[in-house]
Amino acid sequence: DAKTTQPNSMESNEEEPVHLPCNHSTISGTDYIHWYRQLPSQGPEYVIHGLTSNVNNRMASLAIAEDRKSSTLILHRATLRDAAVYYCILFYGSSNTGKLIFGQGTTLQVKP
Amino acid sequence: EAQVTQNPRYLITVTGKKLTVTCSQNMNHEYMSWYRQDPGLGLRQIYYSMNVEVTDKGDVPEGYKVSRKEKRNFPLILESPSPNQTSLYFCASSLARGRSYEQYFGPGTRLTVT
Repeated sequence: DAKTTQPNSMESNEEEPVHLPCNHSTISGTDYIHWYRQLPSQGPEYVIHGLTSNVNNRMASLAIAEDRKSSTLILHRATLRDAAVYYCILFYGSSNTGKLIFGQGTTLQVKP
Repeated sequence: EAQVTQNPRYLITVTGKKLTVTCSQNMNHEYMSWYRQDPGLGLRQIYYSMNVEVTDKGDVPEGYKVSRKEKRNFPLILESPSPNQTSLYFCASSLARGRSYEQYFGPGTRLTVT
């Protein structure tokens, strides 16, 4: 199964950029990279996803390495509301299944 | 409002007493999935469904059943709950096969089995 590896925790100061890394060295050519975050006492929410090219949306940017073995979620200006667990996941396999492996995620702390 | 709903939100039950947690979405999504979340273990997929009458096992399917008779509903059934199924459960849905579309998660169901 294609899996992801993330640091357990990271810290950031408010209003500074945050770069959250994810390693997915066994990714297959047709796997999309998705990022979700989970605020305390809530269900996960979608942040961004991509395949090969870098992606931007109103919440964040996703930078994908050229070999696709790693990616970085970029929060351009962290706010206290961004304190959450961030999950990097792959949609498993090239066989177009719906199996997902979430991993442990990175707990982001934002300091005022 | 587009949403995934789960019922009940909280449930305390006893070992062996069959229960069903319902999940419903109003977005006409093909893909639906169940997860459990335990401290230190993150989110683990239990079962998923690519469309009506199509279901498959995730990483931790033992002790659970699902059905997908209608597109909007995807109930999770515990035929004989045990204490190790005490957990926080999330249902999610998305368009198509879920690969390139965002998943919408429900608010969660906290289950305690004594």
